[in-house]
Amino acid sequence: NAGVTQTPKFQVLKTGQSMTLQCAQDMNHNSMYWYRQDPGMGLRLIYYSASEGTTDKGEVPNGYNVSRLNKREFSLRLESAAPSQTSVYFCASSEGVTGITGELFFGEGSRLTVL
Amino acid sequence: GNSVTQMEGPVTLSEEAFLTINCTYTATGYPSLFWYVQYPGEGLQLLLKATKADDKGSNKGFEATYRKETTSFHLEKGSVQVSDSAVYFCALRDSGGYQKVTFGTGTKLQVIP
Repeated sequence: NAGVTQTPKFQVLKTGQSMTLQCAQDMNHNSMYWYRQDPGMGLRLIYYSASEGTTDKGEVPNGYNVSRLNKREFSLRLESAAPSQTSVYFCASSEGVTGITGELFFGEGSRLTVL
Repeated sequence: GNSVTQMEGPVTLSEEAFLTINCTYTATGYPSLFWYVQYPGEGLQLLLKATKADDKGSNKGFEATYRKETTSFHLEKGSVQVSDSAVYFCALRDSGGYQKVTFGTGTKLQVIP
C-alpha cells in the first residue's frame, strides 16, 4: 500500500537553482495538492488540482509552478529557488472535490533547504 | 475567509494524564472538522472527523465534539501514552464549491513516562 509517494525526501539547493518535486498516488484519487509546512504557520496550500487537467492557485503560489501529468502524478517546480522557499513540502490527495469523507492522504514530505 | 486557531504548544504531559487541545474555527456555512496527527518524520494522517454540529468523532481513545454554538472542536483523551507524542493539527473543510481545507498551526504533544 504505497499511498502517496514523494521524491526526493531531502534536497539542498543554492539560490537561483531550479528543481522539481515529484508526487504520485495509487488510490485513484481525483484531487491532488501541494502544501508547505513552516514552523508556527501550519500547512499552507500552494497549488491544487481538483481533477486531471486542471490546476489552481492556493494561498501561497508565488515562485512555484505545477503540472498534473496524469491522474496519478502532480509535480511542483521551483524555477528559481529562494531562501524563503526553505520548508517541508507535502503532497496530498483526496477522492475528489466533493468526496464524501473529505479526508486528505499525505506523503511523507520533502525537506528542501535553499542556501 | 476561513481560519482555525489552536492552542500553542508544546504540551508536555505525564503518561496516563488527561489531554485537551483546544481548537476554534471561523467559517461560513457548515464546514466539516478534522484532527490530523503527524508523528516524527512522517506525513499527516487523519485521526478523527465530524461533519455536522453535535457529531462526535473518535479514534484510538481520542475524541472531539463539533460545537457550532462555540465554534469549537477540542481534542480530548482520557489517558495519554508515550506513543501519542506527535503534532496535532485541527482543520476544517468548507462546504463551498471547492471545499478547501484550512489547517491550524499545530500543537506539539510530548508525553513523558
